[in-house]
Amino acid sequence: QSVLTQPPSASGTPGQRVTISCSGSSSNIGSNTVNWYQQLPGTAPKLLIYTNNQRPSGVPDRFSGSKSGTSASLAISGLQSEDEADYYCAAWDDSLNGRVVFGGGTKLTVL
Amino acid sequence: QLQLQESGPGLVKPSETLSLTCAVSGGSISSGIYYWGWIRQPPGKGLEWIGDIYSSGSAYYNPSLKNRVTMSVDTSKNQFSLKLTSVTASDTAVYYCTRHKGGYDYIFDSWGQGTLVTVSS
Repeated sequence: QSVLTQPPSASGTPGQRVTISCSGSSSNIGSNTVNWYQQLPGTAPKLLIYTNNQRPSGVPDRFSGSKSGTSASLAISGLQSEDEADYYCAAWDDSLNGRVVFGGGTKLTVL
Repeated sequence: QLQLQESGPGLVKPSETLSLTCAVSGGSISSGIYYWGWIRQPPGKGLEWIGDIYSSGSAYYNPSLKNRVTMSVDTSKNQFSLKLTSVTASDTAVYYCTRHKGGYDYIFDSWGQGTLVTVSS
């Protein structure tokens, strides 16, 4: 069971806006920044959003992140077929001597 | 452009030691800016952070794996390594080597392609 909680699946049609939630606690999201990773089928994860809401160079502005309290969200607007992937949130957790924790991942299906 | 490439046996017997190496190209492991580490993903499951190491050799491990993990760095070969002892079937996973810039943000901005390690007799 993952420390950060994500819905196992999400879906949308091309052009729609979808959001993926990531719920944590005061020891992780509540006191540290959140990063998001996109994992296309059969490939390594790729950094998508860092420090809650920053996009690395090359990531389309259709992707955005936010954080409030002990939860974070990833939003994808103008959904495209190539967005079909697994999405993971991650943060540092101050408990148990400290460790990086991930969400269980959300599989996004573009209908 | 930075590239990370994992290598090592794809099959390890239970109770033995898993050993992987990550070769770094397009950047120096001794730059002093980055930490180098490992993340794994069991087939069909999510990601688990294993730990990371600095060019000085200072390492930090996931407390859940700490007793079985050792990481090392070879600056002369621009590579770093992972050893995981007493493996069981639950250690079967794709192992990724990664890089982050330090601090508690843990922004993994570069990943290797991953290598599947199966633990089986």
